[in-house]
Amino acid sequence: EAQVTQNPRYLITVTGKKLTVTCSQNMNHEYMSWYRQDPGLGLRQIYYSMNVEVTDKGDVPEGYKVSRKEKRNFPLILESPSPNQTSLYFCASSFFGRSETQYFGPGTRLLVL
Amino acid sequence: GENVEQHPSTLSVQEGDSAVIKCTYSDSASNYFPWYKQELGKGPQLIIDIRSNVGEKKDQRIAVTLNKTAKHFSLHITETQPEDSAVYFCAASISRGSQGNLIFGKGTKLSVKP
Repeated sequence: EAQVTQNPRYLITVTGKKLTVTCSQNMNHEYMSWYRQDPGLGLRQIYYSMNVEVTDKGDVPEGYKVSRKEKRNFPLILESPSPNQTSLYFCASSFFGRSETQYFGPGTRLLVL
Repeated sequence: GENVEQHPSTLSVQEGDSAVIKCTYSDSASNYFPWYKQELGKGPQLIIDIRSNVGEKKDQRIAVTLNKTAKHFSLHITETQPEDSAVYFCAASISRGSQGNLIFGKGTKLSVKP
């Protein structure tokens, strides 16, 4: 089944404790991205990757890092999480790039205490 | 850059009624307009999209209309059912453009009352 998977689905952590949210897609898509969803703010892009070893900042990149060492994986790293990073995070991928249809993962709900 | 505004933010309808969600965009070069449905606990999923070379597209109970002159597009759901309850997002982009990026509206929470 073609899909985007994320792990973990739920995460509670404390301020300053490094964490990684994994994302993997099995559709051979070159483009992958991360969004955060907050009430009243919709979907905001954090980082995106056009291909392996090619990443770029989205609209809200502060406090986040990403890497793209393999085509199928695009982990999101929070090196020192803060409470304002409490949010619902979505990974997405696309065959044709950032301006075309995105396929979203199921989401990761993060609470930073 | 592109800006997409979506209205209303919440919408409540009775089962069987129609629901309409409207979006406006700012960049006249935008030519791709998808709609996503996000059910509780899930990620957004594409339900229908339209490109600027057509004015309307239908898929069973769902239709999208596009008015390029006015720079707005709408999602129409007829004969609504409780399973249509979800958050709906519109988006706009300059398709395949090197600088294009899919810009999302802030979402509409649709509630269908049985």
